[in-house]
Amino acid sequence: EAEVAQSPRYKITEKSQAVAFWCDPISGHATLYWYRQILGQGPELLVQFQDESVVDDSQLPKDRFSAERLKGVDSTLKIQPAELGDSAMYLCASSSRDLRYEQYFGPGTRLTVT
Amino acid sequence: SQQGEEDPQALSIQEGENATMNCSYKTSINNLQWYRQNSGRGLVHLILIRSNEREKHSGRLRVTLDTSKKSSSLLITASRAADTASYFCATDLSGNTPLVFGKGTRLSVIA
Repeated sequence: EAEVAQSPRYKITEKSQAVAFWCDPISGHATLYWYRQILGQGPELLVQFQDESVVDDSQLPKDRFSAERLKGVDSTLKIQPAELGDSAMYLCASSSRDLRYEQYFGPGTRLTVT
Repeated sequence: SQQGEEDPQALSIQEGENATMNCSYKTSINNLQWYRQNSGRGLVHLILIRSNEREKHSGRLRVTLDTSKKSSSLLITASRAADTASYFCATDLSGNTPLVFGKGTRLSVIA
């Protein structure tokens, strides 16, 4: 069964350092999402791509976060510099054009900023 | 901001019992979805109910939607230890807007 892949699974970094997360969606899925989930909360959308274009990045803290999906396939989310408050689970999800409502999530990257 | 609010925040039941979780939301929706998240993992899509539907079933899951009360419930029948997880409702406002997730209900099923 096809899955969304994410790496790394865990990342510990010091504040002010740069960190990057990678996501490979299910093959053929046009829409890709990055979410941030703080412990005990539901996921909150950071950025949504349709193919290689950003559809929604209204909740992305653009002074320190960036995201790209250059060829419309895999995607990278970067934080520079990391802050203590960025400690969270970063989830990637994808969906197809036909079943846009059903999102498939990857296992997530647990980020700890010290 | 989170539109959905799940209730209760935590629920502990014995294996074999039924578990009911509720979700309330604030604005009109296009559809409402339920997701499950095992500890430290990604979310798994369980079921979607459209705004013109009142009830939907999938295996041991039963979802109801009351748009007049802006609320939904998820019933898991004959629960198993493997059902232990957090359950989130997510609302889709218009089909072109992002899903908005609630804070979730943490379900513990004790064997």
